[in-house]
Amino acid sequence: VLTQTPHSLPITPGESASISCRSSQSFWSYDHGNTYLDWYLQKPGQSPQLLIYSVSNRASGVPDRFSGSGSVSAFTLRISRVEAEDVGVYFCMQRVESPSSYSFGQGTKLEIK
Amino acid sequence: QVQLQESGPGLVKPSETLSLKCTVSGYSVSSAYYWGWIRQSPREGLVWVASTSHSGTTYYNPSLKGRVTISAETSKNHFSLMVTSVTAADTAVYYCAIRPVVMSDYWGQGILVTVSS
Repeated sequence: VLTQTPHSLPITPGESASISCRSSQSFWSYDHGNTYLDWYLQKPGQSPQLLIYSVSNRASGVPDRFSGSGSVSAFTLRISRVEAEDVGVYFCMQRVESPSSYSFGQGTKLEIK
Repeated sequence: QVQLQESGPGLVKPSETLSLKCTVSGYSVSSAYYWGWIRQSPREGLVWVASTSHSGTTYYNPSLKGRVTISAETSKNHFSLMVTSVTAADTAVYYCAIRPVVMSDYWGQGILVTVSS
């Protein structure tokens, strides 16, 4: 089970935001030693889009204002200098190779004050 | 350019079987790191329903209690989802997704499926 906090995040443009994702159990993928913890953003009316993969790697086209960190069972997404286009719901996603398991956090809704 | 398109009925009766298809263009399903189905509802949020990885490992969400089957027809470059004995709790937007490599993935636009008599 992945627990995200906070559930709602009102932010003033230009401020920084931080979202936490905690796993109920430590996990480690033995596939090339990678930890498969990703972050997605679902903008209003759209499908989720990949922001961060394998804890801390930005997907193609994602601004460097977005960064991911963490290990074992505690992970964080940070957004510096929040912009209006960043509004939406952010999800963390955990994937384990063996045994196969995929799960999402319950989401954090970022809105502009 | 990789594109995915879900297709299937928008309305299914309780106790019947839901069948959805995801047609992929721009990338070979058989080459993907993994591909699968996710659903989203106000009650559940985002939930992985089923997926298949490059190693051939298939994942089914335990909460769906053996009612789900994922399959692919690689010659036609599409994959499918079947959910049997549906109830109102299966009402959701269903997305198909493919992950060619670890650093990128693609989702369909989603299809709303309502279970109602």
